[in-house]
Amino acid sequence: EAQVTQNPRYLITVTGKKLTVTCSQNMNHEYMSWYRQDPGLGLRQIYYSMNVEVTDKGDVPEGYKVSRKEKRNFPLILESPSPNQTSLYFCASSLSPSTSGYTFGSGTRLTVV
Amino acid sequence: SQKIEQNSEALNIQEGKTATLTCNYTNYSPAYLQWYRQDPGRGPVFLLLIRENEKEKRKERLKVTFDTTLKQSLFHITASQPADSATYLCAPPAGTALIFGKGTTLSVSS
Repeated sequence: EAQVTQNPRYLITVTGKKLTVTCSQNMNHEYMSWYRQDPGLGLRQIYYSMNVEVTDKGDVPEGYKVSRKEKRNFPLILESPSPNQTSLYFCASSLSPSTSGYTFGSGTRLTVV
Repeated sequence: SQKIEQNSEALNIQEGKTATLTCNYTNYSPAYLQWYRQDPGRGPVFLLLIRENEKEKRKERLKVTFDTTLKQSLFHITASQPADSATYLCAPPAGTALIFGKGTTLSVSS
């Protein structure tokens, strides 16, 4: 089944403890993105990648890191999480956004206390 | 800066009617625009993509229009059903990325 898999689904952590949210797609898509979704603010892009080793900042990159060492994986790293990073996170991938839509993962609900 | 507005946060209609959702954009001219459906707590699901040279696109009961003069896209659901109740998001590109509107929550009552 074609899909984007994110892990974990839920995570509660403490301020300052480094964490990684994994994202993997099995569709050989070039493009991958991370979004966060907050009430009243909608979906905001954190980082995106157009291919292996090619990444760029979205609208809200502060406090996040990404890497794209393989086409299928695009992990999101929070080096020192803070409570304002409590949010619902989505990973998504697309073959080409100008011709096909993004496939989204099921989301990761992160709480930083 | 580029701005996306979905002009109503909530839309309530009766089953069988046509729902029309609006997406307005300002300060740029996207080459295409995508529409998504999102259910609470779940990831958005891609519905339709329309290009600037296409006036209209259809998929089953869904229809999207793209008016580059008005800088507006309309999303229609005909013969709406309670199962169509969800939040609908428009998403034009910003460079090679997508930016999402805040969405319109549609409620279809039986």
